[in-house]
Amino acid sequence: AQKITQTQPGMFVQEKEAVTLDCTYDTSDQSYGLFWYKQPSSGEMIFLIYQGSYDEQNATEGRYSLNFQKARKSANLVISASQLGDSAMYFCAMREGGDYKLSFGAGTTVTVRA
Amino acid sequence: DAMVIQNPRYQVTQFGKPVTLSCSQTLNHNVMYWYQQKSSQAPKLLFHYYDKDFNNEADTPDNFQSRRPNTSFCFLDIRSPGLGDAAMYLCATSSTGPSRGNQPQHFGDGTRLSIL
Repeated sequence: AQKITQTQPGMFVQEKEAVTLDCTYDTSDQSYGLFWYKQPSSGEMIFLIYQGSYDEQNATEGRYSLNFQKARKSANLVISASQLGDSAMYFCAMREGGDYKLSFGAGTTVTVRA
Repeated sequence: DAMVIQNPRYQVTQFGKPVTLSCSQTLNHNVMYWYQQKSSQAPKLLFHYYDKDFNNEADTPDNFQSRRPNTSFCFLDIRSPGLGDAAMYLCATSSTGPSRGNQPQHFGDGTRLSIL
């Protein structure tokens, strides 16, 4: 079974608007971590934000925030005030329990329009 | 700045000609990973080193091998590249120290491999 599901293959967003990228996960572990990465067309994977399963507050990093709904097993990324430089592929990933490997979702391509 | 460095950024090789990709890190992380990523797909883990211990993913072809001579360096060897091996290869590192839970994997910029 898929551990990470990203249902939006591609999205368009207008510059300066907010966009929400969906991510649902599947795990039976109580302790896990959720990560979002950005991958521009140049190829590098850039870490954006982290949410731990025991964190009570939603994580925020600048224009990035994570809408963590534990009961629904969702960890959606919100990008506020989109910029042209936000155009990239975005991956949701999970680390479970004592493991140190990541399970990646299929990714969502975001295109920001001027 | 501490980082993960991959060389070269672009690599072109001939069908069947062995090729080696390199990765170095200044983060002193004990785990190093190699991923293969094809266009518009998620990275696929090939193998990783936990310190000196090599861990192969079950579906990694025998054509792919790796070496980690020391903490800082890791190499990906493709013995006989086929056309299907054309991809982006990403190296990443992580720490399994006390506060590892919230620490992300740190990625290099990748090597884009083309096969002629």
